[in-house]
Amino acid sequence: QSALTQPASVSGSPGQSITISCTGTSSDVGGYNYVSWYQQHPGKAPKLMIYDVSNRPSGVSNRFSGSKSGNTASLTISGLQAEDEADYYCSSYTSSSTQVFGGGTKLTVL
Amino acid sequence: QITLKESGPTLVKPTQTLTLTCTFSGFSLSTSGVGVGWIRQPPGKALEWLALIYWDDDKRYSPSLKSRLTITKDTSKNQVVLTMTNMDPVDTATYYCAHRESYVVAFDYWGQGTLVTVSS
Repeated sequence: QSALTQPASVSGSPGQSITISCTGTSSDVGGYNYVSWYQQHPGKAPKLMIYDVSNRPSGVSNRFSGSKSGNTASLTISGLQAEDEADYYCSSYTSSSTQVFGGGTKLTVL
Repeated sequence: QITLKESGPTLVKPTQTLTLTCTFSGFSLSTSGVGVGWIRQPPGKALEWLALIYWDDDKRYSPSLKSRLTITKDTSKNQVVLTMTNMDPVDTATYYCAHRESYVVAFDYWGQGTLVTVSS
């Protein structure tokens, strides 16, 4: 299984909205509603932000939202804040009953 | 409150076998649907999913590493063990264990990670 494809970097100014894409295949992203998103600050463990495409765990800001169309999932962060600057990873369930991560996207808040 | 912590050697030699232990609290790995997985991250690189063990002892492995990985659990000790054979310098990474809630396909709690360096 190949890693899911994410843009290497995105940036935005405080208050703006940004979207990070995550492209897979019909054997992973497109085949299941089991896409999750993780935020990782430098030197820290990843934190779950979105699961099952669009569900937020308790305690995660509603500024974070997820969606999916075909083989591409997306994470949108609205009202960008300085603390949102981090690496973001998508993950999907696969047809081999495993999971696969994306290559990661570095978000810079200008 | 759920916590997980990885333990094991910080340095292994090429060709050796790595054994990592994940000790957890706040949940039981005998609860229906619960799982514990292992994920690694080479320095400066992306996360890589390695393996997952379920409450019923069902096991899943990354296809690319399946021949080298073994995951086991000791429910009475609240531990999950990952072994990786034939270690190579490219296996140098921070190794994380993480909790998967019943029938939720995502890791909601993570350990702090442990850096394993492969070098002679």
